[in-house]
Amino acid sequence: GQNIDQPTEMTATEGAIVQINCTYQTSGFNGLFWYQQHAGEAPTFLSYNVLDGLEEKGRFSSFLSRSKGYSYLLLKELQMKDSASYLCAVRRSQGNLIFGKGTKLSVKP
Amino acid sequence: GAGVSQSPSNKVTEKGKDVELRCDPISGHTALYWYRQSLGQGLEFLIYFQGNSAPDKSGLPSDRFSAERTGGSVSTLTIQRTQQEDSAVYLCASSRPSGLASEQYFGPGTRLTVT
Repeated sequence: GQNIDQPTEMTATEGAIVQINCTYQTSGFNGLFWYQQHAGEAPTFLSYNVLDGLEEKGRFSSFLSRSKGYSYLLLKELQMKDSASYLCAVRRSQGNLIFGKGTKLSVKP
Repeated sequence: GAGVSQSPSNKVTEKGKDVELRCDPISGHTALYWYRQSLGQGLEFLIYFQGNSAPDKSGLPSDRFSAERTGGSVSTLTIQRTQQEDSAVYLCASSRPSGLASEQYFGPGTRLTVT
């Protein structure tokens, strides 16, 4: 079966660092995506990992360990505008994405 | 426009009626996906089109749901005999061929309310 787990909610302080974890069990694996979704808006792409290791892109970094079925999204120097839901998604071999339920991040001043 | 477009943006329908939702993908994108998102829930995969290949319909929740993609571009998702549990935001996404590390670009969604 398919199972993607991530925390439901997290709270962090402006300027801090937050790590959002994602564990997955899926049939077939062709990469892991992180998307950001502000309330009432469509998801937008943040990062893609297909090999083990860390991918850094500005304030956002994403890590993947395929053997552990584990990924995390790291957000540095948090800003108020980072308050959103963060969706972990695994691409199956067939090409479609299986999404987790998302982590709602609230950034407080 | 350059992005994925969907219509209508909002649709209110009575239980038992049929509805059609439309998606215009980004030009040149051969892959097209339909998802739905219920309140407070994650995105649920519905169906996936890739070029001229047979679509992956494994996510369709019942035979009341169907989708087609004409000419490899525009797609229509049809829900027959709508039920209240069909109320959700229906999102369409497109991407370049899935063999690449290609991200999916999402449209703004159609909010469907079944009364």
